[in-house]
Amino acid sequence: DIQMTQSPASLSASLEEIVTITCQASQNIGNWLAWYQQKPGKSPQLLIYGTTSLADGVPSRFSGSRSGTQYSLKISRLQVEDIGIYYCQQASSTPWTFGGGTKLELK
Amino acid sequence: EVQLVESGGGLVQPGRSLKLSCAASGFTFSNYYMAWVRQAPKKGLEWVATISTSGSRTYYPDSVKGRFTISRDNAKSSLYLQMNSLKSEDTATYYCARHLPKLGNYFDYWGQGVMVTVSS
Repeated sequence: DIQMTQSPASLSASLEEIVTITCQASQNIGNWLAWYQQKPGKSPQLLIYGTTSLADGVPSRFSGSRSGTQYSLKISRLQVEDIGIYYCQQASSTPWTFGGGTKLELK
Repeated sequence: EVQLVESGGGLVQPGRSLKLSCAASGFTFSNYYMAWVRQAPKKGLEWVATISTSGSRTYYPDSVKGRFTISRDNAKSSLYLQMNSLKSEDTATYYCARHLPKLGNYFDYWGQGVMVTVSS
């Protein structure tokens, strides 16, 4: 199975700050990567798929990138509504696997 | 508006069975692959099962293969998960999710989830 390792596990940032979360794949997954946001008590929501494509309705302050087998989610200007847990997911091969999550809090 | 509404969860003893249902609306259900994804309490996400549009193809991780069966009824716009030989480690919130069409194995809509507790 492909392992997805997210870092950091938790992160505290200020409003308007730039936030970056990373996800390391244990093997080559190409651009088959998604990011999800889960707000407290809610279901996950798709943010980005195919490494860089924004899902419908997702603000443009979210962006995704890749360097080899390391993937990054960037929030350009943190807003209150961005607080939650972020998960990466590889869609390259079954079993489709998720990272352990990054909990984003306000400083 | 896309809506996915799960039902059927509850408390069940180890070794017993439970069947979850998901009622879909707001889209043409028969055109989409569908899936179940679970989340153990305070834990991360784990993909559990996927079914093709017609129901002819199903996919499972090893952790549930042989115990869980995903199925669908396109006439009723409904998705199901039959869970047999339940274990304590199956305790989780189970989400019904829609696969993003044509663009990869991602999940673009999720239900609110249903809790399954396996305990004696």
